[in-house]
Amino acid sequence: IVLTQSPGTLTLSPGERATLSCRASQTVISNYFSWYQQKPGQAPRLLIYGASSRATGIPDRFSGSGSGTDFTLTISRLEPEDFAIYYCQQYGNTWYTFGQGTKLEIK
Amino acid sequence: QVQLQESGPGLVKPSETLSLTCNVSGYSISSGTFWSWIRQPPGKGLEWIGNIYHSGNPYYNPSLKSRVTLSVDTSKNQFSLKLNSVTAADTAIYYCARDLWGNYCFEYWGQGVLVTVSS
Repeated sequence: IVLTQSPGTLTLSPGERATLSCRASQTVISNYFSWYQQKPGQAPRLLIYGASSRATGIPDRFSGSGSGTDFTLTISRLEPEDFAIYYCQQYGNTWYTFGQGTKLEIK
Repeated sequence: QVQLQESGPGLVKPSETLSLTCNVSGYSISSGTFWSWIRQPPGKGLEWIGNIYHSGNPYYNPSLKSRVTLSVDTSKNQFSLKLNSVTAADTAIYYCARDLWGNYCFEYWGQGVLVTVSS
């Protein structure tokens, strides 16, 4: 399953709302769909699993939604520390794939 | 808390074998869940390499399957990656990670180790 993220780059200001999209080439089991945040020089951090459940310690400004082939990560009010690269990921047929990433940059 | 730490050579010659180990602390590998290797070429995206259960059943990315071997050593609480016949295209940061049981995603990650393939 190929995951395509859009946009490639999103330029916003702190306090604004961010909406990131991930589209799958085939239907994904929602329980097996996740989002990650990666900052420069760091390993990715799990944000959302099961399409809509926040991982431990993740602020509630992060939310996930979607099903089937279309999934969305929403950050309700951007904080300075949220500017990073975001990846979606799915599991199916015994292997995992990632999207190519969306870079969220400061305006 | 759960911690993962990759170790191994940072430089490997073309056509040779890349070998990395992930040491796990704060959690027993024998307790369950899957243990994965993921890589990221410099400036690029993430690629899952494969995973293994504590009992030793590995699963591999089809694109790498012919060159990858994963193993687990429960007595040392660690798991390992071998990637043979490496080329410059295998230059990447290699991460080990632990699955969130039942959700097939990566809850805990190591800090990553850069492996460069060059003569």
